[in-house]
Amino acid sequence: AQSVTQLDSHVSVSEGTPVLLRCNYSSSYSPSLFWYVQHPNKGLQLLLKYTSAATLVKGINGFEAEFKKSETSFHLTKPSAHMSDAAEYFCVVSDLNSGGYQKVTFGIGTKLQVIP
Amino acid sequence: NAGVTQTPKFQVLKTGQSMTLQCAQDMNHNSMYWYRQDPGMGLRLIYYSASEGTTDKGEVPNGYNVSRLNKREFSLRLESAAPSQTSVYFCASSESTWQNYEQYFGPGTRLTVT
Repeated sequence: AQSVTQLDSHVSVSEGTPVLLRCNYSSSYSPSLFWYVQHPNKGLQLLLKYTSAATLVKGINGFEAEFKKSETSFHLTKPSAHMSDAAEYFCVVSDLNSGGYQKVTFGIGTKLQVIP
Repeated sequence: NAGVTQTPKFQVLKTGQSMTLQCAQDMNHNSMYWYRQDPGMGLRLIYYSASEGTTDKGEVPNGYNVSRLNKREFSLRLESAAPSQTSVYFCASSESTWQNYEQYFGPGTRLTVT
């Protein structure tokens, strides 16, 4: 069965310090993995995606994530947090269901607080 | 391009009332989705439409119906609203249901059922 675990429901960092948001997944197939960001009262925006090419994926706004198959992880990082990064982040795993259609599972989200 | 648009943005219903949430996309995407977002539960798929003319149940379809009106539009109907359907509803679209296509989300509809 497919699942996503976001290991922290809340993360708090100081402005200018590194960000690490952790995500572990399970999938019986070779999945695609995504990170989305949701700012308050907004829809979700794609940050980056992994689709079996390079294991280190660069996204928008300086974020990147590394796919580690041996650890079934896809952690999101950023070297230096900015106030505008305060938002909720969702890790998403996507593979195929028995009918050949995309099956997408969202993590429960990690709220990132950035302290000035 | 407007991307994915949803109407209304906010709605309050009484238990037993019905309503339809509208969604449209202008990206010529084949696939469209309806999710609900509840605190601590991430997003859960209600229904999806892999292509025009097809719809399928997702994880939490009970109490909802959908219509894929044409390639652009995908509506979600609550026939008899219940307080358990209080949630934020998101519509999304993608080029295909193939696994590596990202989904594009609308701004959401915040629904309260009293």
